[in-house]
Amino acid sequence: GNSVTQMEGPVTLSEEAFLTINCTYTATGYPSLFWYVQYPGEGLQLLLKATKADDKGSNKGFEATYRKETTSFHLEKGSVQVSDSAVYFCALSDHRFGNEKLTFGTGTRLTIIP
Amino acid sequence: GAGVSQSPSNKVTEKGKDVELRCDPISGHTALYWYRQSLGQGLEFLIYFQGNSAPDKSGLPSDRFSAERTGGSVSTLTIQRTQQEDSAVYLCASSLRGACFFGPGTRLTVL
Repeated sequence: GNSVTQMEGPVTLSEEAFLTINCTYTATGYPSLFWYVQYPGEGLQLLLKATKADDKGSNKGFEATYRKETTSFHLEKGSVQVSDSAVYFCALSDHRFGNEKLTFGTGTRLTIIP
Repeated sequence: GAGVSQSPSNKVTEKGKDVELRCDPISGHTALYWYRQSLGQGLEFLIYFQGNSAPDKSGLPSDRFSAERTGGSVSTLTIQRTQQEDSAVYLCASSLRGACFFGPGTRLTVL
């Protein structure tokens, strides 16, 4: 079956540091890949997505590239801010048979200290 | 426009009671999902509705859990004879040809 494995947290960084949160996946088809973010006290929201190999999703300074050869979708940001503190979830959606069910990783809690 | 809404936002119940959780998806979204988020855990898929197709119930943890979606819109998740391990945040999401939009969740506490 499909699965997502992401870097275990928590991750603590200083403001302006470089961020990488690793995510790898297992899927039998050609999934779409997503990063969702959950800010403290808020609901899950889509951060970025990529729908095919070599696509790069980007939003709010975050980027992730769909790497089919390494089955990875690592999240990166060049200079993090305190406001980026949140829990980040990697997810995939396998479109076979019209089923777009999302499979999530366990989440990575990120804390940015000033 | 309005996002996904869920009610109640919090529910405290006694072990053995039945509960109903409601989800109002974004108008026009054909797909609706229920997930569960337990403390310190990831998101656990429960059930998925897509248009008029038979729902994917593969994530429901036991036969105490059921869900329905009336008229292709509002959905109700029912948990019968609640147990303490059912305590979690229950999240609903809807989508149309792409990424999901999540509701704020219902925090269920079973005493």
